[in-house]
This record gives sequence, C-alpha cells and structure tokens, in this order.
Amino acid sequence: DAKTTQPPSMDCAEGRAANLPCNHSTISGNEYVYWYRQIHSQGPQYIIHGLKNNETNEMASLIITEDRKSSTLILPHATLRDTAVYYCIVRVANTGNQFYFGTGTSLTVIP
Amino acid sequence: DAGVIQSPRHEVTEMGQEVTLRCKPISGHDYLFWYRQTMMRGLELLIYFNNNVPIDDSGMPEDRFSAKMPNASFSTLKIQPSEPRDSAVYFCASSLMQQREGTDTQYFGPGTRLTVL
Repeated sequence: DAKTTQPPSMDCAEGRAANLPCNHSTISGNEYVYWYRQIHSQGPQYIIHGLKNNETNEMASLIITEDRKSSTLILPHATLRDTAVYYCIVRVANTGNQFYFGTGTSLTVIP
Repeated sequence: DAGVIQSPRHEVTEMGQEVTLRCKPISGHDYLFWYRQTMMRGLELLIYFNNNVPIDDSGMPEDRFSAKMPNASFSTLKIQPSEPRDSAVYFCASSLMQQREGTDTQYFGPGTRLTVL
C-alpha cells in the first residue's frame, strides 16, 4: 500500500471549514483513499473514502486531485467534537487486508 | 446495529496473569481484525480472520498471544502470561467484503484498555 504524508497538527476555529491535506504521490491506480479519525480514547471511526472522483457524505467531503497524488478532507463546519487525530490511508480495496494507520494529523478545533 | 462490541472496556491485572479480551463483530460481517495501540508503536494489526478462519497472524508478538473465533459472532484474544509491556489499548474491528469496490470499510469497537502491573 502507498505511503501517505500528513501534517502532524492543525488548528481550526469552531464553525469554520477544516481542510486536512494528505500527500500520496506513489498511489497506484487501484488504490483508494480512506479517511478515518480517532477521538481521544475511542476506536478509529470511518469518515469517507474515494478512488478518483470527489465524494461527499454527511460527515465530510473528500477532494482528490486529478493526478491522484494528493487529497483534502473537508469538514465544512468544524465543531469542538471534531477535535481528533485524522488518518489518511491509501489501500487497495476489497483485499480484506489491514488498514495501515500512520501518525495522522491532530486537529484541534478552537472555540 | 450496535456496532462492534468489546469487553471488558478496562482491565487491570498483575504480571503473569491470564487476560482474555472479547469481541462481538457487526452481524453479517465476514472479516474480524485485532489491533493494538500504544504511544510508541501506534496502531498495529495483530491478527485477522475471514469467515472465522485465521488468515494472517504475523503481527502477534509472541506465543503468549493467541486468538480464536469459534463462530461468526464472537472472538477472543488471550494473553498468557501477561507482562507489563503488553499494556495497551486493544481494538477489534470487523468488515464485510462486498462486490462493489471500495466498500470493505473496517468498523472499530471502543477498545479494551489493558494495564499489566
């Protein structure tokens, strides 16, 4: 699975959009981009995933560049409960294999 | 659905004791994973099952660790004897392999925080 690079930490004002970047320059054509987050003392929580097209669900939006070498997770209106570590993972889908969680980005939403 | 259920949520034991962690996956899921999280090593996979059969246990640290899945709705991770370095949060996750690509998302339980004194 391709390696990802994320900034170690970010701050965001409450109510503003949080934009979390991820670089995955070695991504292969059959690898998906997944985003998970982990709120303190809880299990990782699935947020969203995509292959080529931008995706949106009730939690967030995922913007993938045309060359697929980077992506951005967007939380449109960050709340204090969004404070967590966010993991960007690149992985071939439907392999049944593990997700490799790196160090992620620690997002702090500031009141 | 109640999600992945793990018990106990917290376990404190003394070195040398046997510890058993339990997991109930989401109903209908065909994959089950055991992960361990520490500050030093982050989140790492220990073992995973497909249709109750262990597929890859290369992450199990040593023979003191063993995992079973007697049926589709229950799995255990056992440490015997336990050591202080086993102190960590242990997560269970489950997923369903589907025909449509990109949908084998893993859903994690709340974890068991193990402290070995």
